[in-house]
Amino acid sequence: DIQMTQSPSSLSASVGDRVTITCRASQSISRYLNWYQHKPGKAPRVLIYGASSLQSGVPTRFSGSGSGTDFTLTISSLQPEDFATYYCQQSFSTPRTFGQGTKVGIK
Amino acid sequence: DVQVVESGGGLVQPGESLRLSCAASGFTFGTYAMSWVRQAPGKGLEWVSSIVGSGIGAYYADAVKGRFTISRDNSKNTLSLQMNSLRAEDTAIYYCAKESGGLVVITNYFDCWGQGTLVTVSS
Repeated sequence: DIQMTQSPSSLSASVGDRVTITCRASQSISRYLNWYQHKPGKAPRVLIYGASSLQSGVPTRFSGSGSGTDFTLTISSLQPEDFATYYCQQSFSTPRTFGQGTKVGIK
Repeated sequence: DVQVVESGGGLVQPGESLRLSCAASGFTFGTYAMSWVRQAPGKGLEWVSSIVGSGIGAYYADAVKGRFTISRDNSKNTLSLQMNSLRAEDTAIYYCAKESGGLVVITNYFDCWGQGTLVTVSS
């Protein structure tokens, strides 16, 4: 199975900050990497697919980059509605695996 | 609007069975693969099972293989998960998720999720 490791596991940031979350795969997954946002009690939603493609309706402050084993999700200017947990997920092989999550909290 | 809504969760004892359902609307159901993803208390997301749009092919995580069965009724726009021989470690919120394509392929992602249904396995 491909292991996905996110860092950091949690972070505190202020509105307006630039936030970067890293995801590393245990083997190369090309660009088959997706990012999700999850708020408590709500449905998760996809932000980025294929490492860098922005899902329709997602604000442009979210961006993704990377290929192979190392990937990054960046929020260019954190907004109040962005406080949530973020997960990376590889679709390169089954079982599809997720990172352990990064909780973005308010500083 | 594209929407999926889960139902069927509840409290069961170890060894018992439970059947989850997912009602889909707003898209041509039989055209898309569907999946179940779960989240145990205090843990992250874990993929459980996927089924292709036609219903012919299905995939399972090792943790549930042989105990869970995914199925779909394209005439009723419904996805199901039959869970047998339940264990305490199956306790989780179970999410139904629509995939972005009809087959379970590497370009897919989960593009619509429900709010989940809670399954608790405890004596």
